[in-house]
Amino acid sequence: NAGVTQTPKFQVLKTGQSMTLQCAQDMNHEYMSWYRQDPGMGLRLIHYSVGAGITDQGEVPNGYNVSRSTTEDFPLRLLSAAPSQTSVYFCASSTPDRVRTGELFFGEGSRLTVL
Amino acid sequence: EDQVTQSPEALRLQEGESSSLNCSYTVSGLRGLFWYRQDPGKGPEFLFTLYSAGEEKEKERLKATLTKKESFLHITAPKPEDSATYLCAVQEAGGGNKLTFGTGTQLKVEL
Repeated sequence: NAGVTQTPKFQVLKTGQSMTLQCAQDMNHEYMSWYRQDPGMGLRLIHYSVGAGITDQGEVPNGYNVSRSTTEDFPLRLLSAAPSQTSVYFCASSTPDRVRTGELFFGEGSRLTVL
Repeated sequence: EDQVTQSPEALRLQEGESSSLNCSYTVSGLRGLFWYRQDPGKGPEFLFTLYSAGEEKEKERLKATLTKKESFLHITAPKPEDSATYLCAVQEAGGGNKLTFGTGTQLKVEL
């Protein structure tokens, strides 16, 4: 089992460019989510999905889009990158029961710099 | 608004020197409090869930406890491999599955 796989691990963008952060999990988890982690701030939820075809906004959704066409994949799209989106992004997945007990399985993160 | 405050921000211990990390929280009703460990360059790894005041959970040298306003992560006789950032998160009753994370305590255990 690879668990939660995020690509790329590092990315540098210029302001206004678009890109997609990929997230795939092989644990058949229904729940998937994206967080960002910034210095001096806790992890903040961007978007989440409770199953294929279902997505919802988290705490900081502006500037990001998501889709969930399969159980395995949950890509995060930045349509027009801004310096404020410089951050480390984490994808996390879980089962419905484990989400209720706070048990998320995180990927290793994607470090994004927007110049 | 839910708030989670962790202290200290950083802690340096000698191997074998026991200590505690603190997580204080403000929620209108606690559904659960969670501890995670995060190694440099990695994603957080789940450790414990606590639900009610007085509850305790243990794993190797770690023990988590919960009161009505805070949680402690006690580290007994730590080893260098316990060095990591420890994150606390809360889930509010009626708040769905949303987790509110603290900023973490960076622990370094030296020989």
